[in-house]
This record gives sequence, structure tokens and C-alpha cells, in this order.
Amino acid sequence: NAGVMQNPRHLVRRRGQEARLRCSPMKGHSHVYWYRQLPEEGLKFMVYLQKENIIDESGMPKERFSAEFPKEGPSILRIQQVVRGDSAAYFCASSRGTAYGYTFGSGTRLTVV
Amino acid sequence: QQQVKQSPQSLIVQKGGISIINCAYENTAFDYFPWYQQFPGKGPALLIAIRPDVSEKKEGRFTISFNKSAKQFSLHIMDSQPGDSATYFCAPWGMAAGNKLTFGGGTRVLVKP
Repeated sequence: NAGVMQNPRHLVRRRGQEARLRCSPMKGHSHVYWYRQLPEEGLKFMVYLQKENIIDESGMPKERFSAEFPKEGPSILRIQQVVRGDSAAYFCASSRGTAYGYTFGSGTRLTVV
Repeated sequence: QQQVKQSPQSLIVQKGGISIINCAYENTAFDYFPWYQQFPGKGPALLIAIRPDVSEKKEGRFTISFNKSAKQFSLHIMDSQPGDSATYFCAPWGMAAGNKLTFGGGTRVLVKP
């Protein structure tokens, strides 16, 4: 009964490259949320997805960032042309659509050099 | 608009002491009030949560107090232990508030032996 799986755990990208972060939700969970955490700060909401649909992307930067949750496979957060300010920990959470059982992964730590 | 304000930002307490963390919110659509605990390198994990129909909930050494009229809730950690050293986040939720957790800025707690 695996929890929320995120990979890679650590990702290093040069400025201008693309970063792809993957999140496999818990079994039975069809709602996925992405959060970003800067050092010494709280988690900032980025995007909320259900299978094949973006429900709320109010926290996503307008450019370079995109997210998807296809019918099959993990949810993907994509950051194009990364800049140093994108360096952060990115956490994925999943749920059945309520606050109960909202479970976080261990995060992907992105470093842009 | 900062919807959720958490205080203090950091806290040092002696082993056996009491840690108290406060959370103030603005959005009256929140109707579920959890506290999350995060250790370095890990994702947040649910510690304890309360619904607004009760004013207090206790689970072991952890207690939530809820004041609906003041739009505040707090976490009390009794008999604090070194293993409680972590960052704590309040993260209220409401279906009518977007069906997503809204995190406070976090409180770093250090319990000295």
C-alpha cells in the first residue's frame, strides 16, 4: 500500500533546461495537488488536477510552468527554461476529493545551477 | 491576500515544556482545520485536525483549540520531546474554499533536552 510517490527525489538542471517532476498518487486517489516550498517558507499552492482535467491553476506562474494528470500514468509538473528562482522543493499530494486522507509525497528538490 | 497567518515563526522549548502555535485565518469558507508536521527532507504529514463543531480536540500530547468567532485555532504540544523538533504548519481547508489546503508560513519548533 504505497503512499504518494514522487520522482526524482533530487534534480539538478542548468539554467534554460527543462525540468519534469513526476507524481504517482495513492491507490484510489484521483485528485492531485502540487505545492512549492522555498527554503524556510511554507508550502504555496500551485495547481489542482483530477484525471485529465485541471481544476485550479491559480497558483501556477503564467509562463514556463505546466501540469497534467493523464488518464494513465503519473501527474507531471513541467518547468521549461528553468531559472535560479525555480530552485525549491516541489511536493505533490493526493486525495479522494476531500480533506480526509490528504497525503503528501516526500518531494522533489530542484536545484538550478 | 495572506489568508492564513501563523505565529510564532520559531519556538525553542525545554524538554517537558509546552509548545503553543497559533493560526489565524480570514476565509470563512474553511471548515476543516488540520495541523501538519514536517521533518527535514520529508513531506508534511497530518498530525491532528478539528472540525468547527467542536472547540477542542486532544490526541495524546497534542491538542487543538478552536475559536470560530475569532477565526483562530492553535496547537498545544504538552510534555514536549526532542523528537517533536520539526516544522509545524496549519493548513485550513474547505470545499467552498477551493478544495485545497492553504498553508500558514510554518513554525519551527526546537525542543532542547
